Amino acid sequence: KAGVTQTPRYLIKTRGQQVTLSCSPISGHRSVSWYQQTPGQGLQFLFEYFSETQRNKGNFPGRFSGRQFSNSRSEMNVSTLELGDSALYLCASSLGMGQASYEQYFGPGTRLTVT
Amino acid sequence: GENVEQHPSTLSVQEGDSAVIKCTYSDSASNYFPWYKQELGKRPQLIIDIRSNVGEKKDQRIAVTLNKTAKHFSLHITETQPEDSAVYFCAAIIQGAQKLVFGQGTRLTINP
Repeated sequence: KAGVTQTPRYLIKTRGQQVTLSCSPISGHRSVSWYQQTPGQGLQFLFEYFSETQRNKGNFPGRFSGRQFSNSRSEMNVSTLELGDSALYLCASSLGMGQASYEQYFGPGTRLTVT
Repeated sequence: GENVEQHPSTLSVQEGDSAVIKCTYSDSASNYFPWYKQELGKRPQLIIDIRSNVGEKKDQRIAVTLNKTAKHFSLHITETQPEDSAVYFCAAIIQGAQKLVFGQGTRLTINP
């Protein structure tokens, strides 16, 4: 099976702009979670989508939003970018239900730099 | 909410020796504890996990132990090799949620 893919791999944006990141899960996985990774804060949970519905949410401002499509692909949007949003954004997919539902597999990430 | 503490933040061992990384969690409702390995510039890779109904799990040179009473779990790597050098993250999930709460990571260096 193909692994989790993310596009684009690298992005450079200016403060105040918005950005959309995309994540394609492993075939058959219905849950997609998003995480922000920074040297100072480590790996932090943003939100999780399952069957096109946000099922869990972390403690990030409303500028961070997401959605999931019927084919389980997910997008994450950040509006009004701030310098502090510079980070590696990782998505992870899992079955979402059943015995192995907790096992999450990560994509390669999108490196976002805000200048 | 859940909080996961990980120690040590850096660990250096001689090739062939064992390495142990420890984590504690705060929420007794947590029931799934994975460990991820992240090499420089690469994605976190799930290397082993354990559920709350199991005390120990082993996969070749890697083992994880869980003490539910003390709310801590540990990663043990035996016969370490240079390719074990990476940052290791522990995490916990609360039952019913898909939200992974991560420890701060341990940078493991294997010295030849």
